[in-house]
Amino acid sequence: DIQMTQSPSSLSASVGDRVTIACRASQGISSYLNWYQQKPGKAPKLLIYSASRLESGVPSRFSGSGSGTHFTLIISSLEPEDFADYYCQQSQSRPYSFGQGTKLEIK
Amino acid sequence: QVQLEESGGGVVQPGKSLRLSCAASGFFFGNYGMHWVRQAPGKGLQWVAFISYDDRERYYADSVKGRVTISRDNSKNALYLEMTSLRADDTAVYYCARDGFRLTLVRGAAPFDSWGQGVLVIVSS
Repeated sequence: DIQMTQSPSSLSASVGDRVTIACRASQGISSYLNWYQQKPGKAPKLLIYSASRLESGVPSRFSGSGSGTHFTLIISSLEPEDFADYYCQQSQSRPYSFGQGTKLEIK
Repeated sequence: QVQLEESGGGVVQPGKSLRLSCAASGFFFGNYGMHWVRQAPGKGLQWVAFISYDDRERYYADSVKGRVTISRDNSKNALYLEMTSLRADDTAVYYCARDGFRLTLVRGAAPFDSWGQGVLVIVSS
């Protein structure tokens, strides 16, 4: 099974900050890497798929990069609505594993 | 627009069974694979099961294999998760999610592009 590891587990930042979240796969997954945002009490929402492709309707301040085993989610300038949990997920092979999540909090 | 609505959750005793349903609307259900994903209280996301659009393929996480059955009825636009021999560690919010092959054109290797609001299952005596 492929293990997904995110860092950091939590992050405090301010509105307007640039934020980077890392995700590492235990083995190569090409570009089969997706990012989700989850707000308290809500379902996850797809942000980025195939490592770098922005889902329709997602603001352009979100971007993703990487391939193989190392991936990054960047939020270029934080907005108040961006404070949430973020998860990476590999869809290269079953079981489809998620990272443990990164909690992005307001500083 | 795409809508997924789960139902059937509740409090159930250990060892008992429960059937979750997911009603789909706003898209051609029969053309999409579907997943169940769960989230234990305060924890992260865990994939549970997948069923292909044509019901020819079903896959399960090891943690539920043998105790859970995923199924679908394309004539009713419905997805199901039959859970048996429930344990305390099955306590979670269960989400149904659509396989987003429209984005990658690769079935079963795509992101989960739409999610239901989730249904809570509590296994407790």
